[in-house]
Amino acid sequence: EIVLTQSPGTLSLSPGERATLSCRASQSISNSYLAWYQQKPGQAPRLLIYGASSRATGIPDRFSGSGSGTDFTLTISRLEPEDFAVYYCQQYDRSPMNTFGQGTKLEIK
Amino acid sequence: EVQLVESGGTLVQPGGSLRLSCAASGLTVSNNYMSWVRQAPGKGLEWVSVIYTGGSRYYADSVKGRFIISRHNSKDILFLEMNSLRLDDTGIYYCARGGGVYQLDHWGQGTLVTVSS
Repeated sequence: EIVLTQSPGTLSLSPGERATLSCRASQSISNSYLAWYQQKPGQAPRLLIYGASSRATGIPDRFSGSGSGTDFTLTISRLEPEDFAVYYCQQYDRSPMNTFGQGTKLEIK
Repeated sequence: EVQLVESGGTLVQPGGSLRLSCAASGLTVSNNYMSWVRQAPGKGLEWVSVIYTGGSRYYADSVKGRFIISRHNSKDILFLEMNSLRLDDTGIYYCARGGGVYQLDHWGQGTLVTVSS
């Protein structure tokens, strides 16, 4: 089983700043089968990024994903008030056993 | 527009059973990989089960032998039959399109299952 470790656990930033979230895998993820999701309180998760770097439909271009192998990054270039939420990475390489990271909470400083 | 609507969540005693439903519109359930993902109160996301287009079914170790995923092809409904429920099965259960080698690109709003005596 691939274990995903996200860091930091909590990130405190101000609107307008740049956010960098990390996701590290215990084994190499082939085909870049890694996704990022955003979850706001009381809501279902929403797909942001798939294939490590492709934005999902309707996702603003301030969100970008990068990385390969075992190290992946989600970057939000300029934080908007609505971006403060919990973010999860997920691998879907070793199917059918998809696994999620434990999440990074992005909070307003 | 794709919509997924879960139902069936309720309070159930330990050892009990429950069947969750996920009604889909805007997509054909049998033509897509479909998954269940759960979230314990205040915790992260946990993949639970997936059913492939060909009918193959897979489960997380934590629910294997207790949960059964199925679908009603003509009605575009996904099910999760939950047996021998335990306290740690408590949480919000989401259905989603995708799983296997596909990202989860559409999610329902979730249904709450509470296992408690």
